[in-house]
Amino acid sequence: GQNIDQPTEMTATEGAIVQINCTYQTSGFNGLFWYQQHAGEAPTFLSYNVLDGLEEKGRFSSFLSRSKGYSYLLLKELQMKDSASYLCAVKAGAGSYQLTFGKGTKLSVIP
Amino acid sequence: DAMVIQNPRYQVTQFGKPVTLSCSQTLNHNVMYWYQQKSSQAPKLLFHYYDKDFNNEADTPDNFQSRRPNTSFCFLDIRSPGLGDAAMYLCATSRLGQGSGELFFGEGSRLTVL
Repeated sequence: GQNIDQPTEMTATEGAIVQINCTYQTSGFNGLFWYQQHAGEAPTFLSYNVLDGLEEKGRFSSFLSRSKGYSYLLLKELQMKDSASYLCAVKAGAGSYQLTFGKGTKLSVIP
Repeated sequence: DAMVIQNPRYQVTQFGKPVTLSCSQTLNHNVMYWYQQKSSQAPKLLFHYYDKDFNNEADTPDNFQSRRPNTSFCFLDIRSPGLGDAAMYLCATSRLGQGSGELFFGEGSRLTVL
């Protein structure tokens, strides 16, 4: 079976840095994605990791450790518009292309 | 420019009255997906098509069916909606064999069942 765990909610201050963790236990691994989802809207792609290490893209970075089944999304210089849910999703198994999503972490950015 | 378009954005139906949701894409992606997402929950995969090959998730209720008449269009049919089927329905596409295979989502169709 597939199990993806993320904290349910987080709160951070505008201008600060926040780290959202994701742990997974899946039957195989073929890549991990982070998506941002504003309330009532569709998820939008943020990052992709398939090898261990850090991927940086502007204010957002994502880290992966395959041996630990662990990833995090790092958001720097938080802005109010970053208030959203952040979904961790795993592509599991060789040749697999379907994504299994975690429940998401609802981030609230406060002034 | 929207690349994955879902219609309608909002659908209200009565208990047991059939509903069809549509999805079209201009990305020429070979895989199309339907996800169901309830409030504060993870998107749950219902079906996907790899070209014309239909793949049904084991736990997708029989009440849900799908059609993909051509590469660009995909439909989700809910034959007899129950109160528990109220949710956001998300259509997504991906191109197998290209890049990360990330999913591109439409804006969703929010279904209310009265």
